[in-house]
Amino acid sequence: AQSVTQPDIHITVSEGASLELRCNYSYGATPYLFWYVQSPGQGLQLLLKYFSGDTLVQGIKGFEAEFKRSQSSFNLRKPSVHWSDAAEYFCASRGAGSYQLTFGKGTKLSVIP
Amino acid sequence: NAGVTQTPKFQVLKTGQSMTLQCAQDMNHEYMSWYRQDPGMGLRLIHYSVGAGITDQGEVPNGYNVSRSTTEDFPLRLLSAAPSQTSVYFCASSYSNRGDTIYFGEGSWLTVV
Repeated sequence: AQSVTQPDIHITVSEGASLELRCNYSYGATPYLFWYVQSPGQGLQLLLKYFSGDTLVQGIKGFEAEFKRSQSSFNLRKPSVHWSDAAEYFCASRGAGSYQLTFGKGTKLSVIP
Repeated sequence: NAGVTQTPKFQVLKTGQSMTLQCAQDMNHEYMSWYRQDPGMGLRLIHYSVGAGITDQGEVPNGYNVSRSTTEDFPLRLLSAAPSQTSVYFCASSYSNRGDTIYFGEGSWLTVV
C-alpha cells in the first residue's frame, strides 16, 4: 500500500527566508507526486506535480520540488518566503494506473514578518 | 467552466439526521471521489467512482453512501449523522488514471451536534 510521510507538522520561517518542506513516499514503482496548498477555510490548490522526466519541477507562486528516487523524496522548496505563503501544505502520491490520491498529514507553515 | 462544485458549503446537523452533499463537475471527468479532512489526519478517501454506475469504497466508507447515475454528479449521503462525521468534505475529479491532475472542490464544512 502507498503511504506519504510529511515529517514536519509545523514549520515557522521568517519572511524572506528560504523554505524546504519534506515529503517521503512509499510505493513499489515511481508514483505520480503532487503538492497542494490550503489556506485557512479554503479548498486545495495544486502547486505542482511530477509525472516523469525532469526531476526538478517548477510550480506556481515561485515553488519548486525535486524528485529523488534514491531517497523516495519529493521535497518542496521556495527561495524566499512571503507572508502570504502561510498555509498548510500537503504532499500526495498516486500510483500508476490508480485513480486514488494518498495524502500526507500536512505541514503547517507560519511566516514571521 | 465551473470545475468541481460542491454544495452546501456549511451545514449543521443533529445526530441521527440524514443529508446529502452534492458534487458536480463539468469537465467530463470519469473519475470522481470524496475525501474527508480532519485535523492532523490529512485527507482520507471515503468513496470513489470510475464512471457512471460504478462506485467503490475508499479508506473510511462507514456511515456514507454514494451513487453515480451521471458522469457529472457524485452525491455523498450521510444516512444517520454522528458527531464523528464532523469534518470538512472535499469532492474531487480527474479525467483518467493516467497521471492526470485531480481537481478539488472548495469543500463542505459539516458539523454534527
